[in-house]
Amino acid sequence: GQNIDQPTEMTATEGAIVQINCTYQTSGFNGLFWYQQHAGEAPTFLSYNVLDGLEEKGRFSSFLSRSKGYSYLLLKELQMKDSASYLCAVRDRGQKVTFGIGTKLQVIP
Amino acid sequence: GAVVSQHPSRVICKSGTSVKIECRSLDFQATTMFWYRQFPKQSLMLMATSNEGSKATYEQGVEKDKFLINHASLTLSTLTVTSAHPEDSSFYICSARDEGPTSYEQYFGPGTRLTVT
Repeated sequence: GQNIDQPTEMTATEGAIVQINCTYQTSGFNGLFWYQQHAGEAPTFLSYNVLDGLEEKGRFSSFLSRSKGYSYLLLKELQMKDSASYLCAVRDRGQKVTFGIGTKLQVIP
Repeated sequence: GAVVSQHPSRVICKSGTSVKIECRSLDFQATTMFWYRQFPKQSLMLMATSNEGSKATYEQGVEKDKFLINHASLTLSTLTVTSAHPEDSSFYICSARDEGPTSYEQYFGPGTRLTVT
């Protein structure tokens, strides 16, 4: 089975940087995803990590350490529209993707 | 990028009736599609894995006779909620993976909000 932990809520200021952490335990790791989900909408893909290290994509970056079972999503130059839930999800070798509870980020002026 | 569509986007039905939700991959073929359910303020919970041409694989606690899944083609999977009850009211989301040699992303449909009265 898989177990995924991430904070339930965070608040950050517009223009700032925020880091959302995710720790996981899995029997067979085959990639970690970050998704953004606005209320009432389906998740949208942000990033994918399967090897250790940092993946940067514009204002968003994602880091993975497989030995520590740890990932973070880094959001820079925060904008009000970044207020959303951020879901950490882990895929196992059977291609099954399990989602964490999600971190609700509130960006304030 | 790849697109997954769902129909309908919203449905209201009476208790005891059945509702069918369609999930289509629009520009890629998917031998495997996934059905998730999301209750308010909760994360996505995998209900079942839909396999083209074979039976779906259901997660523990999900009634296969209540949630019927048919994956008749490489671009279409359907979820039928049979004899729906108010507790089945939820946001149902499908996803599919583009199974090309260099692809890894899992694409999500826009979701179907089911309300059972």
